[in-house]
Amino acid sequence: AQTVTQSQPEMSVQEAETVTLSCTYDTSESNYYLFWYKQPPSRQMILVIRQEAYKQQNATENRFSVNFQKAAKSFSLKISDSQLGDTAMYFCAFMSGDTGNQFYFGTGTSLTVIP
Amino acid sequence: KAGVTQTPRYLIKTRGQQVTLSCSPISGHRSVSWYQQTPGQGLQFLFEYFSETQRNKGNFPGRFSGRQFSNSRSEMNVSTLELGDSALYLCASSFRVMNTEAFFGQGTRLTVV
Repeated sequence: AQTVTQSQPEMSVQEAETVTLSCTYDTSESNYYLFWYKQPPSRQMILVIRQEAYKQQNATENRFSVNFQKAAKSFSLKISDSQLGDTAMYFCAFMSGDTGNQFYFGTGTSLTVIP
Repeated sequence: KAGVTQTPRYLIKTRGQQVTLSCSPISGHRSVSWYQQTPGQGLQFLFEYFSETQRNKGNFPGRFSGRQFSNSRSEMNVSTLELGDSALYLCASSFRVMNTEAFFGQGTRLTVV
């Protein structure tokens, strides 16, 4: 079974600063995807970034980037130039590349950006 | 293009009743997945449908059921409601069999009293 662990229940960062959210996972599969989703107070889950396990290059989306360490099974999210709109719950998630029909989510990290 | 629409947004039910939640996926999407979100258990997978077929089911009791219609709209039903069923129920839709590009709705907040 797949497990995803987020060890930081809450974090805060000053506006315009950089913050890193941690995530580790456990799987015996070699073909998989990793995701970071953001859930603002509106409750809608919004995809922040996606990483294919077979790609060695770390994914980047504007101010968001990941540090994917496959051997260590680590997948951290770095948010640069934090903005007030980044305040939200952030969930790390795993999906098998063989079945592709189910997310396994971590418990989430509540991020607050302080003005 | 309209997003994933879940109805109703809020619902209050009494223990023992049953409830039906609806999810309309993005036009053209054929996969619909359901998740339950609670403070204690986090986000847990309920089931996934693709072209009217249930492809995968999570570890929930038989009181939780679902279906998908030919227009890809999906419903989930919970019978004999318990207090512990109070949760945010999220629906996600995807165009392809692989749900790596899934879009979520805003959820239905179910409160059981």
